Amino acid sequence: AQTVTQSQPEMSVQEAETVTLSCTYDTSESDYYLFWYKQPPSRQMILVIRQEAYKQQNATENRFSVNFQKAAKSFSLKISDSQLGDAAMYFCAYTSYSGGGADGLTFGKGTHLIIQP
Amino acid sequence: SQTIHQWPATLVQPVGSPLSLECTVEGTSNPNLYWYRQAAGRGLQLLFYSVGIGQISSEVPQNLSASRPQDRQFILSSKKLLLSDSGFYLCAWSPGMGVNTEAFFGQGTRLTVV
Repeated sequence: AQTVTQSQPEMSVQEAETVTLSCTYDTSESDYYLFWYKQPPSRQMILVIRQEAYKQQNATENRFSVNFQKAAKSFSLKISDSQLGDAAMYFCAYTSYSGGGADGLTFGKGTHLIIQP
Repeated sequence: SQTIHQWPATLVQPVGSPLSLECTVEGTSNPNLYWYRQAAGRGLQLLFYSVGIGQISSEVPQNLSASRPQDRQFILSSKKLLLSDSGFYLCAWSPGMGVNTEAFFGQGTRLTVV
């Protein structure tokens, strides 16, 4: 079974600084997708960024980028120029390509990100 | 554009009472549908998923059940709630075809069993 581990229950960063959230996963699959979701206090789950395992290039979305290390099964999220609106729970998630993603996402337990003004 | 509706937003139910949470998706056909539960301070746990009408797969054995009576309708039910059923329930959908496997979530239902 696939597992996703987020070892940082809470992280704190000063506004405008850069922070990196860690995620490791375990799978025997070679093709899969990885995601970072954000859950603000409203509890709405919002997709931040996605990465296909077959792509060597790390995904980037504006201030958000990932460091995908397939051999190490590591998928960290870097947030540059942190803003107060980035404060939220961040979840790393995995789904296997073999199921076409139909069998759902496996989530880590989340990292609570605090932005200090 | 696609939208997902989930209701009610909050629910307080006594132990032993029945449960029915409903989720509908608009603007797409034949979506994959999911029910997740988020316990306090924890990540999301997949409860059920469905790839088509009447097709339900269960990930976790429990006293909950799911049904998909229509293509874009997904219902989470229980005949008798337990205290341990309290939590935040999220419905989600993903495209039924293609490789765009990201999931889109509803607003969630906070269930408190008393």
